[in-house]
Amino acid sequence: DIQMTQSPSSLSASVGDRVTITCRASQNINIYLNWYQQEPGKAPKLLIYAASNLHSGDPSRFSGSGSGTDFTLTISSLQPEDFATYYCQQSHSTPPTFGPGTKVEIK
Amino acid sequence: QVQLQESGPGLVKPSETLSLTCTVSGTSINSTSYHWVWIRQPPGKGLEWIGSIYYSGITYYNASLKSRVAISAETSKNQFSLRLSSVTVADTAVYSCARRFLGSSSWFDSWGQGTLVTVSS
Repeated sequence: DIQMTQSPSSLSASVGDRVTITCRASQNINIYLNWYQQEPGKAPKLLIYAASNLHSGDPSRFSGSGSGTDFTLTISSLQPEDFATYYCQQSHSTPPTFGPGTKVEIK
Repeated sequence: QVQLQESGPGLVKPSETLSLTCTVSGTSINSTSYHWVWIRQPPGKGLEWIGSIYYSGITYYNASLKSRVAISAETSKNQFSLRLSSVTVADTAVYSCARRFLGSSSWFDSWGQGTLVTVSS
């Protein structure tokens, strides 16, 4: 199975901050990387697919980049509704696997 | 609007079989463009893909659970189901159903709210 890691595991930030989350795959996954946002008690929501494509309806302050083994999710200006846990997920190989998550908390 | 809703017992005894159903609305599970999947998340832990079913009935399972898992679909009711046998406390988790888009890449684009299943005597 492809192992996914994320850093940091958690971060504290203020509204308006620029936030960057990193995801690394244990082998080359090309651009087959998705990002999800999960608010407490809710289902995950797709944010970014195929590394850099913003899911329909999601705010443009979210962006994704990367290919191969290293990927980044950036929130350009953190908003109150963005405090949540973010997961990356590879779709290169079966089984699809997720990173352990990055919890974004209010500073 | 696509909606998925899990249903089933919230408490299962060790060694018994966990059974959950996902009811889909707003779209048909008889689609060539999607897999219908089960994913779980143990308390405080990460997300684990359990398995998928295609409209044709073909199933795919996580090798770590394959000997205990069965996913089936009832297209007339627009539902698909999960059975996990011989459960232990390690199977305690929030179980979610989801839709996986199939294309040049794939992603989970719609999720149910999830249902907590506790394994305890």
